[in-house]
Amino acid sequence: GDSVTQMEGPVTLSEEAFLTINCTYTATGYPSLFWYVQYPGEGLQLLLKATKADDKGSNKGFEATYRKETTSFHLEKGSVQVSDSAVYFCALTTTGANSKLTFGKGITLSVRP
Amino acid sequence: NAGVMQNPRHLVRRRGQEARLRCSPMKGHSHVYWYRQLPEEGLKFMVYLQKENIIDESGMPKERFSAEFPKEGPSILRIQQVVRGDSAAYFCASSPSGARPGADTQYFGPGTRLTVL
Repeated sequence: GDSVTQMEGPVTLSEEAFLTINCTYTATGYPSLFWYVQYPGEGLQLLLKATKADDKGSNKGFEATYRKETTSFHLEKGSVQVSDSAVYFCALTTTGANSKLTFGKGITLSVRP
Repeated sequence: NAGVMQNPRHLVRRRGQEARLRCSPMKGHSHVYWYRQLPEEGLKFMVYLQKENIIDESGMPKERFSAEFPKEGPSILRIQQVVRGDSAAYFCASSPSGARPGADTQYFGPGTRLTVL
């Protein structure tokens, strides 16, 4: 079945540090890939997405590239801020529109001033 | 355009009671999904509904759990005879129909945090 694997956390960085959060997947067919962010006490917000190989999703300084050859969708940001402290989830759907999301376990990012 | 709404935000029940969680999708969205987040874990899919139809309930426990999305009103996730293991955050998401742009994206509500004493 479909699955998403995220690197183990938590991750603690200093402000302005470079961020990489690894995500790899196993899926049948051609999945769409997503990163969601969850701030403390809140629901999930879509951060970015990519729907086909080599697409790059980007938002708020975050980027992730859909790599079919390595089945990966790593999240990067060049300079993190304290306000980026949150839980980050990688997810996929395999049948396009209106299908369930399969999530990774999530990783907690803490950014210190 | 209001986002996905869920209520209550926090719900406390004693073992054996019933829990009812409500979800109103975004305006124009006709597809609703329910997910459960256990402590220290990611979200797990429970059920996918359209108006008056259950499309996929492969993630729903076989007993005590049910869901509906009536023609009028919010979607309801109902848990009968709750047990301590049901304590979790329950999130609802919605998406537009497959014929519309962005139908592959789900928008989440703030969640209902259920505590079973």
